[in-house]
Amino acid sequence: EAGVTQSPRYAVLQEGQAVSFWCDPISGHDTLYWYQQPRDQGPQLLVYFRDEAVIDNSQLPSDRFSAVRPKGTNSTLKIQSAKQGDTATYLCASSSSDWGEQYFGPGTRLTVL
Amino acid sequence: GQQVQQSPASLVLQEGENAELQCNFSSTATQLQWFYQSPGGSLVSLLSNPSGTKHTGRLTSTTVTKERRSSLHISSSQTTDSGTYLCAPGSFNKLTFGAGTRLAVCP
Repeated sequence: EAGVTQSPRYAVLQEGQAVSFWCDPISGHDTLYWYQQPRDQGPQLLVYFRDEAVIDNSQLPSDRFSAVRPKGTNSTLKIQSAKQGDTATYLCASSSSDWGEQYFGPGTRLTVL
Repeated sequence: GQQVQQSPASLVLQEGENAELQCNFSSTATQLQWFYQSPGGSLVSLLSNPSGTKHTGRLTSTTVTKERRSSLHISSSQTTDSGTYLCAPGSFNKLTFGAGTRLAVCP
């Protein structure tokens, strides 16, 4: 069974540029999560979906961040006008709502110069 | 919101020694996962243990739900165990992570 896949693995931007991250969850998992992990900290939840619906986006900086999961499978997280403070690893995870255990992808390491 | 404290923040062992990692959290949790993260690597789920004691390989986790604490015991440590161990209690599929315990196992 394939795990959670993410792309790209690395991204380097200048402040003000935009970037998109893509995630393909484990097949059959209806719940998908996006986390931000700053260096030397634990992951912090940004947003999560059940199927195509947003369940919680309270920690997503809505002025510059957006996330979609239009068909309830793959998902895209986008940052418009990136700031240096956005430098972090962006992790995607998925779970089955029946079991709840989360499985993580390899992450995208973002550096904003 | 949920607050998670992990201790110790860092730990250095000689290969073969045992490790005991602690996790305390502020709110009731119906889920709890322990994760391992290698330097620069992704998170690997080690155990899901919302209550009681659970074993897998050299790992033993004990969670006391009423006291809002969990521990992870690593027996006979190996150099390949080096990395960061993260505790994540949660409810309704929403986890909150601690800052982790950074473990270094020396040969």
